[in-house]
Amino acid sequence: GNSVTQMEGPVTLSEEAFLTINCTYTATGYPSLFWYVQYPGEGLQLLLKATKADDKGSNKGFEATYRKETTSFHLEKGSVQVSDSAVYFCALSDRSGYSTLTFGKGTMLLVSP
Amino acid sequence: EAGVTQFPSHSVIEKGQTVTLRCDPISGHDNLYWYRRVMGKEIKFLLHFVKESKQDESGMPNNRFLAERTGGTYSTLKVQPAELEDSGVYFCASSPIVGLAGAGPSIYNEQFFGPGTRLTVL
Repeated sequence: GNSVTQMEGPVTLSEEAFLTINCTYTATGYPSLFWYVQYPGEGLQLLLKATKADDKGSNKGFEATYRKETTSFHLEKGSVQVSDSAVYFCALSDRSGYSTLTFGKGTMLLVSP
Repeated sequence: EAGVTQFPSHSVIEKGQTVTLRCDPISGHDNLYWYRRVMGKEIKFLLHFVKESKQDESGMPNNRFLAERTGGTYSTLKVQPAELEDSGVYFCASSPIVGLAGAGPSIYNEQFFGPGTRLTVL
């Protein structure tokens, strides 16, 4: 079956530091890949997505590239801000199904001033 | 446009009691999904409605969980009787069914999530 593995948190960084959150997946076929973010007290929001190999999703300074050869979709940001503190979830959607999402466990990011 | 709403935001009940969670999807969204996150674990799929029909309920943990979507609008998820392991955050999501030109309707569309209901069973 499908699965997503992402690095354990929390990840603690100082403002303006470089961020990487690793995500690898197992899936049949060619899934779509997503990063969702949950800010404190809010619901999940789609941060970025990629639907085929070598696609790069980007939003709000965050980027992730769909790497089929390494089955990875690592999230990066060059300079984090305090407002980026949140829980980040990597997820995939199996195109052979009805686009239900398979999530990783989530990685909490804490950014200090 | 209003987003996905869920009620209540928090619920604390005792083991053996019944709880009903409600989800109001974005107006016009035919797809409605329920997910659950147990503390420290993955967000897991529970079930998927297309309009009022259950498309996939393979993630429902057992028969203590009953989901309905009468009329294809809002949905309820009832847990009866609740057990300690049912504690967690229950998320609802909705998405439209949008047709691509020449390709027929597609159900692969972004899911919009609600804020979740935090359920605590004591």
